[in-house]
Amino acid sequence: AQSVTQLDSHVSVSEGTPVLLRCNYSSSYSPSLFWYVQHPNKGLQLLLKYTSAATLVKGINGFEAEFKKSETSFHLTKPSAHMSDAAEYFCVVSNHTGGGNKLTFGTGTQLKVEL
Amino acid sequence: GAGVSQSPRYKVTKRGQDVALRCDPISGHVSLYWYRQALGQGPEFLTYFNYEAQQDKSGLPNDRFSAERPEGSISTLTIQRTEQRDSAMYRCASSLVLPGPSGNTGELFFGEGSRLTVL
Repeated sequence: AQSVTQLDSHVSVSEGTPVLLRCNYSSSYSPSLFWYVQHPNKGLQLLLKYTSAATLVKGINGFEAEFKKSETSFHLTKPSAHMSDAAEYFCVVSNHTGGGNKLTFGTGTQLKVEL
Repeated sequence: GAGVSQSPRYKVTKRGQDVALRCDPISGHVSLYWYRQALGQGPEFLTYFNYEAQQDKSGLPNDRFSAERPEGSISTLTIQRTEQRDSAMYRCASSLVLPGPSGNTGELFFGEGSRLTVL
């Protein structure tokens, strides 16, 4: 079975400083990995996805993530946090067994951005 | 519509009542997914459809839960004889393309969810 582990349930940064949200995955074969963001009272929005192409993936709003097979990691980063980045972030792995895009979500990391 | 629409946004019901949650996907989207998100947790897969066919219902917790998508568009998730443990946010998502065997992952577009509270 595939799974993801988000190592931090809460992360707090100051505006203008770098963001690092950590994610480790477990998969028996080459996974597809995603980061989704959830703002309060909003639906989940795709930030970026990795599907075995370039290991450094660029997403929306200045976010990027690097797939590191040796470390089984897919950490999300952003050079400079903005107040509007405050939200909950989910690391996600896709299970393609039998067809279907069955996503397995991590437990989420709540990002707080302070002035 | 412009996005995935779910209704009702909020539902409070008494234990033992049946509830029906509706999902209207983005027009033309082939695949439709239902997820459940408990407080403080990530969404968990319930079931999904390609067109009107239910492809996988392995995530439905028990036989009180059922889903249908009779015309390959709007879907309804029904929970019979609700219990307090059913309280959660129920999320629907749709995808334009069918996922491919090689891993072509059509992006999932999520609705804002239906929050169910069972008293």
